[in-house]
Amino acid sequence: GAVVSQHPSRVICKSGTSVKIECRSLDFQATTMFWYRQFPKQSLMLMATSNEGSKATYEQGVEKDKFLINHASLTLSTLTVTSAHPEDSSFYICSAKTPEKLFFGSGTQLSVL
Amino acid sequence: QKEVEQDPGPLSVPEGAIVSLNCTYSNSAFQYFMWYRQYSRKGPELLMYTYSSGNKEDGRFTAQVDKSSKYISLFIRDSQPSDSATYLCAMSRIQGAQKLVFGQGTRLTINP
Repeated sequence: GAVVSQHPSRVICKSGTSVKIECRSLDFQATTMFWYRQFPKQSLMLMATSNEGSKATYEQGVEKDKFLINHASLTLSTLTVTSAHPEDSSFYICSAKTPEKLFFGSGTQLSVL
Repeated sequence: QKEVEQDPGPLSVPEGAIVSLNCTYSNSAFQYFMWYRQYSRKGPELLMYTYSSGNKEDGRFTAQVDKSSKYISLFIRDSQPSDSATYLCAMSRIQGAQKLVFGQGTRLTINP
C-alpha cells in the first residue's frame, strides 16, 4: 500500500508554545490530506481537510486559528498547533488519499505541560 | 443514533480462535467498506477494502458485507497474539470519498 510518513512521532512542549507536525505522502501525490485527533480508547475525530494550494476545510467546532494547516505541495501537509495548552494534548494522525483508498500516517503524540 | 455502530469491546480470546468483529450502520447509501487495524500509539493500517455486498478473503482475514442488513464483519482465523490491536470499521458512499465514517473501534486481545 501507499506510504504516509508523519513526524514527529512524539513531542512534549511547554504551554504557550507552538508545535508543527508534518505529513508526507512518500510514493504518491496527494491533493487531499486529512488531519484527525484521537483521544484514548476513542475513534478518530476528523479535524480538517487539507487541500493542496487552497485553504483547509475545518470541521465544526475546530478552531482554524488554533490549528493551522498548510498544504504547500502535493506531498506535504503540516499542522501547527498554536499557543498549545494542556487540553490540546492528544494523538494527532494525518491521512492521504489516493483515488481509491485512504492511508494513514503513524501519528504524533502531543503532550503539553 | 451514530451512523456507524461498533462494539468497543474489549474482546479477549485465546490464540488460535476465530474472531468475529462487527459493525452496523444506518445509511443505506454506504457502498465502500473498510477495516483498519490500529496498534497502540500508531496510525491505522488498511486491512481490507470491499465494495457492496459479499465476501473478500485475504490470508487469515475475511471481510463480509450484508447491505440488506446494514451489517459488516471481519473474521480472523487462527488468531495470533500479533493480531492484538484495535480494529476500526469505516465506510463511504462513493469510491475514494473525501471523508470516511468510522466506527468507534474494537479493542482485541489474543492471549497466548
